[in-house]
This record gives sequence, C-alpha cells and structure tokens, in this order.
Amino acid sequence: GESVGLHLPTLSVQEGDNSIINCAYSNSASDYFIWYKQESGKGPQFIIDIRSNMDKRQGQRVTVLLNKTVKHLSLQIAATQPGDSAVYFCAAPSGGSYIPTFGRGTSLIVHP
Amino acid sequence: KAGVTQTPRYLIKTRGQQVTLSCSPISGHRSVSWYQQTPGQGLQFLFEYFSETQRNKGNFPGRFSGRQFSNSRSEMNVSTLELGDSALYLCASSWDRGGEQYFGPGTRLTVT
Repeated sequence: GESVGLHLPTLSVQEGDNSIINCAYSNSASDYFIWYKQESGKGPQFIIDIRSNMDKRQGQRVTVLLNKTVKHLSLQIAATQPGDSAVYFCAAPSGGSYIPTFGRGTSLIVHP
Repeated sequence: KAGVTQTPRYLIKTRGQQVTLSCSPISGHRSVSWYQQTPGQGLQFLFEYFSETQRNKGNFPGRFSGRQFSNSRSEMNVSTLELGDSALYLCASSWDRGGEQYFGPGTRLTVT
C-alpha cells in the first residue's frame, strides 16, 4: 500500500514569507496527489491536486511541485497570511484504489 | 449549496456503550466516506458507501459499521466502545466514487 509522510510536524513562518511544506511517498506507481488544509475545528479542505504526468501545478497563491524521481512533493504558499495557519496534509490513493492515504500533517504557524 | 453536516458535533460516551454518528452529504453527492482522525494515527479511512452499499472498507474491527440511506445520508455505528475509539470522526462526500471529497466538520467522540 501507499505510505505518505511529511517531513516536519511544525513549520513557523512570518506573515508575508513564502512557505514550503514537504511530503514524501513510497509507491512509485502513485499517479495522483492531493493537498488538504485543516483549520482548527473543521474538516480537511481540498487545496490543490496534481497528477503524475505533471511536475508543477499552480493555484491561487499555491504551487505544488512533484518530483517523481525521488518520490517527493511540496506545497508552496506565497505571501503567507495568518489565515493560512492550519494543518496541511498530503494524500495519495493506494493499492489501485482511489481511497486516499493521508500523511501525518504539518502544522503551519504564521506569525503576524 | 450547504456543505457536509455531521451530528452530533461532540459526544461523550462510556466504555462498553455504543454510538451512532450521522452524516448528511452535499445535495447531489452520492458517495460518502468515513475517516477516523487521532493524534497518534492521523487520518485513517473507515469505509465508503455508494448507492446504499459499502464499496470499500478500511482496516478497522467489526465493531465499526455503517450504512447509507436512499437519500445518501449515512450513519456509522461503533459498538462496545473502547478508550482508543476516542477520536474525531470525519465524513466526506463526493458526487461520484473517486471524485473530489468535501469533508464535514467532524464529530468529536470522547470515550471515558
């Protein structure tokens, strides 16, 4: 099955800085990856996804980079704002299923 | 369009009791999945329902069960509660199987 992990449990940044949250996965056959944001007291919220035929995908202030060679993906948040403070999860379906396996999460703390 | 709703939001039960949690998906969504979130294990998939049938099941004991009604609303039941069942139980709905999932706020279950 898929194993998905994040490198750092906590990331602290200053407001206005760019944030980079990293994630590693184990299954080289994984072809779809999702980033979620979970704010306190809420369920995870879809941010952006990427398929394995792409190296990069951009959204509003967010960019996901996929490096299939080292089985690593990252979420970059530009001009981080206090409202970006949350736990961020990467997820990938495993074992031929579309059911996502979630990483442990990185808590992003944005200092004003 | 209203989001995914879960009731109750908070619940305290005693070991050995049983509990039923409810989830109302986004209108038109036919697939409902349940997840357990704990600090130690992270987000783990419980089961998925589509057209009133369980389509996928995670690695949880038989004490965890669920069902889906004809209006796509879903319930999950945990019998003979254990202390380790204390967790945030999240429901997610999608229009179809494998589609983008929208999570509810979760039910916080505390077993004493």
